Amino acid sequence: AQKVTQAQTEISVVEKEDVTLDCVYETRDTTYYLFWYKQPPSGELVFLIRRNSFDEQNEISGRYSWNFQKSTSSFNFTITASQVVDSAVYFCALSAKRETAGNKLTFGGGTRVLVKP
Amino acid sequence: DAGITQSPRYKITETGRQVTLMCHQTWSHSYMFWYRQDLGHGLRLIYYSAAADITDKGEVPDGYVVSRSKTENFPLTLESATRSQTSVYFCASNDRGNYEQYFGPGTRLTVT
Repeated sequence: AQKVTQAQTEISVVEKEDVTLDCVYETRDTTYYLFWYKQPPSGELVFLIRRNSFDEQNEISGRYSWNFQKSTSSFNFTITASQVVDSAVYFCALSAKRETAGNKLTFGGGTRVLVKP
Repeated sequence: DAGITQSPRYKITETGRQVTLMCHQTWSHSYMFWYRQDLGHGLRLIYYSAAADITDKGEVPDGYVVSRSKTENFPLTLESATRSQTSVYFCASNDRGNYEQYFGPGTRLTVT
């Protein structure tokens, strides 16, 4: 069985501070995908990033960066210089690379980020 | 409109009533999914479908029924709604070989 744990339920920061969201996962699959989704107050789910389990290269995209460490089963996400518009719930998710099973996602419980002006 | 749509967006029903939530996608994606979102649980998979007429259970299927007679539609039916089924329901789809999943806007269901 797969499991995704986001230990932080809520993080509150002041604008321009950096925010790091933790994600720890469990899976028996050797090949899998990890995702981050953002859910703003309007309620829709916005895809942010997907990483393959065989690609541990970390990435920076604008104010977002990701730290994938297979050895510790962690896939952390950082927002640099946070802005009020970053206020949202962020979900980490995992899926196995099994074509016949589709892309069934296992989600963490989410971390609510509140950025205060 | 292109994309994935859900209807209704909001629904209030009474315990014991049958409710059907609709999901429609215009991309002809092979895979479709239903998730429910509850505080503290994130999103949990209810049912999914790999193609028309092929469906399978997810993590929390009890009390729900699905069908998929056409590729573009994937309705979710609560045969006898219970208060524990009060939730936000998301439909999603992805194409074969593409692991980015696209989500609908969600349906907020309240069972009184």
